[in-house]
Amino acid sequence: AQSVAQPEDQVNVAEGNPLTVKCTYSVSGNPYLFWYVQYPNRGLQFLLKYITGDNLVKGSYGFEAEFNKSQTSFHLKKPSALVSDSALYFCAVRDIDNNNDMRFGAGTRLTVKP
Amino acid sequence: DTGVSQDPRHKITKRGQNVTFRCDPISEHNRLYWYRQTLGQGPEFLTYFQNEAQLEKSRLLSDRFSAERPKGSFSTLEIQRTEQGDSAMYLCASSPSGREDNEQFFGPGTRLTVL
Repeated sequence: AQSVAQPEDQVNVAEGNPLTVKCTYSVSGNPYLFWYVQYPNRGLQFLLKYITGDNLVKGSYGFEAEFNKSQTSFHLKKPSALVSDSALYFCAVRDIDNNNDMRFGAGTRLTVKP
Repeated sequence: DTGVSQDPRHKITKRGQNVTFRCDPISEHNRLYWYRQTLGQGPEFLTYFQNEAQLEKSRLLSDRFSAERPKGSFSTLEIQRTEQGDSAMYLCASSPSGREDNEQFFGPGTRLTVL
């Protein structure tokens, strides 16, 4: 069965600095990988996804993520953090060769300080 | 707003009571998913529908849980004989059908508190 690990419960960065939110995954087949963001009292919002092709994927709000097959990672990045980026971020994986479940990580709370 | 909507947003009930939640997906989306999210965790898959057909159920979905999507539009999730362990946020999501790479669009959730 597929699984996702987000090794950091909390990430703190200063506004204007680059940010990285880490995600590693485990699947027996080929993965589809997703990042979602959750703001307080709001539903999860899609940020970006990796399906195939270029390992660097660009998404909403200036976020990007790099798929690394050898390290089974899909870290979320942004060159310059904004205070408004502060939220809960979830990585998710779907094993396209085996079933339709989307498995989510436990989430990483990003805090961007002014 | 044409996003996914859920009703109610909050539900407080006593142990042993039955509760029902409703989800209205984005109108052109054929797939509808239910998840449960507890504090400090990511969403956990419960079940999903392709139109009115319930195609997959997680083992998390005990026999006290039932979901329906009778006309392939809105869906309901019912929990019978609620237990304190059922307290969680219940999320609904929808997506266009046919492609597993489609992202899911989530509703705001229904927060259930079982006293």
